[in-house]
Amino acid sequence: DIQLTQSPSFLSASVGDRVTITCRASQGISSYLAWYQQKPGKAPKLLIYAASTLQSGVPSRFSGSGSGTDFTLTISSLQPEDFATYYCQHLSSYPPGTFGQGTKVEIK
Amino acid sequence: EVQLVESGGSLVQPGGSLRLSCAASGFTFRSYEMNWVRQAPGKGLEWVSYISGSGRTIYHADSVRGRFTISRDNAKNSLYLQMNSLGADDTAVYYCATYNSSWYVFDYWGQGTLVTVSS
Repeated sequence: DIQLTQSPSFLSASVGDRVTITCRASQGISSYLAWYQQKPGKAPKLLIYAASTLQSGVPSRFSGSGSGTDFTLTISSLQPEDFATYYCQHLSSYPPGTFGQGTKVEIK
Repeated sequence: EVQLVESGGSLVQPGGSLRLSCAASGFTFRSYEMNWVRQAPGKGLEWVSYISGSGRTIYHADSVRGRFTISRDNAKNSLYLQMNSLGADDTAVYYCATYNSSWYVFDYWGQGTLVTVSS
């Protein structure tokens, strides 16, 4: 099975900071990668699919890039509502749709 | 508006059984592949089960295969997860989610239902 490794697992940042989260796949997955945001007590919310396509309604400060094995999620200017946990997921060999272990973004 | 509403979660003893439901509305349910995803307390997301739109194709994660069964009733716009031989490791919030086969992504999620396995 393909494994996804996110880094860092935790990051502390301030409002206005540029934040980058990486997701590395154990083998090539083309662009079959999605990013989700999850706030405490809530369901995950789709942010980006196909590695770089922004889901409708998601603010443009979120962006995704990468293909093959290395991917990034970037928040260009962190806002108070962006403090959450972020997960990557691949579906190139669906099912299963393996998730990364998550990156928690907290307020510095 | 797409809505997915899970129900059926509760406290159950080890070795017990439970059936979760997911009521869907706002889209053509029979046309969508569906999944169950779970999240243990303080942990990450784990894909559990998949079912095709017709119900003819089913997959389960290794961790639940032989104990859990996914099913659907397209006439009732409902998805189910029958869970047997429950153990403490099955304690989690269980989410149902649609699979968008055009974008290769889980695009809509329910709010989740909590299953607690404890004596």
